[in-house]
Amino acid sequence: DAGVTQSPTHLIKTRGQQVTLRCSPKSGHDTVSWYQQALGQGPQFIFQYYEEEERQRGNFPDRFSGHQFPNYSSELNVNALLLGDSALYLCASSPLAPSSASGRRETQYFGPGTRLLVL
Amino acid sequence: QKEVEQNSGPLSVPEGAIASLNCTYSDRGSQSFFWYRQYSGKSPELIMFIYSNGDKEDGRFTAQLNKASQYVSLLIRDSQPSDSATYLCAVKDAGGTSYGKLTFGQGTILTVHP
Repeated sequence: DAGVTQSPTHLIKTRGQQVTLRCSPKSGHDTVSWYQQALGQGPQFIFQYYEEEERQRGNFPDRFSGHQFPNYSSELNVNALLLGDSALYLCASSPLAPSSASGRRETQYFGPGTRLLVL
Repeated sequence: QKEVEQNSGPLSVPEGAIASLNCTYSDRGSQSFFWYRQYSGKSPELIMFIYSNGDKEDGRFTAQLNKASQYVSLLIRDSQPSDSATYLCAVKDAGGTSYGKLTFGQGTILTVHP
């Protein structure tokens, strides 16, 4: 049973460029959330996708956008990169439908992350 | 602004001791609480979740929740050097329009020394 996968693992970009990060959720999961984690900080919620729509969004500018595909995989796009966008970008998946394990439907499982460095 | 605060670290305990990690949250309506472990350079890994007041035990880990005090903790018994990591407390937003946003604390760095 494959877990959450993300690509690429590392990425180096320059200011002003655009970047696309990819995520495939865990088998059986249909909801994908994206987080940004700066060094020494906890993850910050960017947005969540379900049924190919952005369902909830955190306090991030419109430069951050996303997409979810029919197979539940997702992309995070960041335009006009700034030095401050350098961070670990985490994708988390969760099942929407109730599962047999009580409470599991709310649990988010993280992928390995993509480390983005903006120069 | 909904906040999650964790006890300031770093926390250092000897091998075999009990490590106690604490977390407070500001949104009184929060219902779901999670503890994640994050090794250096890696992504967060779920340790436990808790929804009801009281204690929940899983092996060497015990999560404690007190909704009246808006407090959640994680106890690690018989701490091992392999437990050395950053521990993240996460709270799921409450409210009818909340679909699963997690708000994280800043993390507590735990070091277990032999």
